[in-house]
Amino acid sequence: DSGVTQTPKHLITATGQRVTLRCSPRSGDLSVYWYQQSLDQGLQFLIQYYNGEERAKGNILERFSAQQFPDLHSELNLSSLELGDSALYFCASTPLGLAGNEQFFGPGTRLTVL
Amino acid sequence: QQQVKQSPQSLIVQKGGISIINCAYENTAFDYFPWYQQFPGKGPALLIAIRPDVSEKKEGRFTISFNKSAKQFSLHIMDSQPGDSATYFCAAKNTGFQKLVFGTGTRLLVSP
Repeated sequence: DSGVTQTPKHLITATGQRVTLRCSPRSGDLSVYWYQQSLDQGLQFLIQYYNGEERAKGNILERFSAQQFPDLHSELNLSSLELGDSALYFCASTPLGLAGNEQFFGPGTRLTVL
Repeated sequence: QQQVKQSPQSLIVQKGGISIINCAYENTAFDYFPWYQQFPGKGPALLIAIRPDVSEKKEGRFTISFNKSAKQFSLHIMDSQPGDSATYFCAAKNTGFQKLVFGTGTRLLVSP
């Protein structure tokens, strides 16, 4: 158990819908990262937040957005869902703030878009 | 230049054998190279990591070998066990940038 929690574990929805994925980092970790894992793209970095502020952006679609709240939990919002958005979504957190390299991953949310 | 190339895609090893997974990178700014282990339905778990100032790091049955000049690194699993059957990902990172760049993964099966 990494100490990173994610909810829900599974999510099934229809095309065009909007969903919210939630992540709580390890106690004391200020950085949260979101990754998407799909069969054809592998593990891809989406976005990073540090202490409530966006710090880095990767291959994140404009239909996707994220935020980190004062209690440090983070939410990834996916809207206008398409079949191709079906994937595993992981969040990770890092000790030592921006200087930390180790990223500890949560158990993921499996999103299925029908 | 951001890619990390991983091979093989899949690997079958007998119990007690040595599993070897290789990765290559191009970006010389990378300075942190972790390996992650992922079981079905679980998140990637950090296994072992190395920085380019050392050529080898060992933790239990897991060893990373690092060749800076060749821009390659590999994971060796000694005395492989059926419980090691999982997907292994190499990754690379530049400390100045926060994202991990992952290899494509190797599905390891250790036969009893």
